[in-house]
Amino acid sequence: SQTIHQWPATLVQPVGSPLSLECTVEGTSNPNLYWYRQAAGRGLQLLFYSVGIGQISSEVPQNLSASRPQDRQFILSSKKLLLSDSGFYLCAWSVHRANYGYTFGSGTRLTVV
Amino acid sequence: QKEVEQNSGPLSVPEGAIASLNCTYSDRGSQSFFWYRQYSGKSPELIMSIYSNGDKEDGRFTAQLNKASQYVSLLIRDSQPSDSATYLCAVNGAAGNKLTFGGGTRVLVKP
Repeated sequence: SQTIHQWPATLVQPVGSPLSLECTVEGTSNPNLYWYRQAAGRGLQLLFYSVGIGQISSEVPQNLSASRPQDRQFILSSKKLLLSDSGFYLCAWSVHRANYGYTFGSGTRLTVV
Repeated sequence: QKEVEQNSGPLSVPEGAIASLNCTYSDRGSQSFFWYRQYSGKSPELIMSIYSNGDKEDGRFTAQLNKASQYVSLLIRDSQPSDSATYLCAVNGAAGNKLTFGGGTRVLVKP
């Protein structure tokens, strides 16, 4: 069966510090991978998605970047965090074309102070 | 106009009653539709998917799709306090490869 791992679960970082969130998927190959952010009390905002190694689509111009160095690994990064980067970050995977929906990881709650 | 719209709620229902949630979408070419449940502080969990017009039942949940009206709904029968959560409607547009989510409807089931 497929599983998705996301870490850390919580993170408190000062403004201006770097960020690296990692997500890995097991039990499948060539998944679509996604990074979403959910601000407090708000909906899900798609940040990046990837349909293959090295293929990254950015949905919203911002202070963040994403990379996919391996088939089942997706990394979200920032060089300098802003207060507005606080939120609940969710990684998800799907089969090609997302026809069966996503499976989400457990999420990372990021607080920038 | 938002691509996927939901009433934010809260939708308050007594225990044992039917909760009815609605969702409209703008992309006429959309092919697949999903309902996710999200408990406070947790990640969304897929509870229903529907691909063709009509009703689809799974336990106490029924999803309804009307592509002509661009409308998806979710019924929760015999609502339980454990159903209290935010329900997210998600639509896979014509281009595929990514879901667009509504803002979610918060449901409160009162004992």
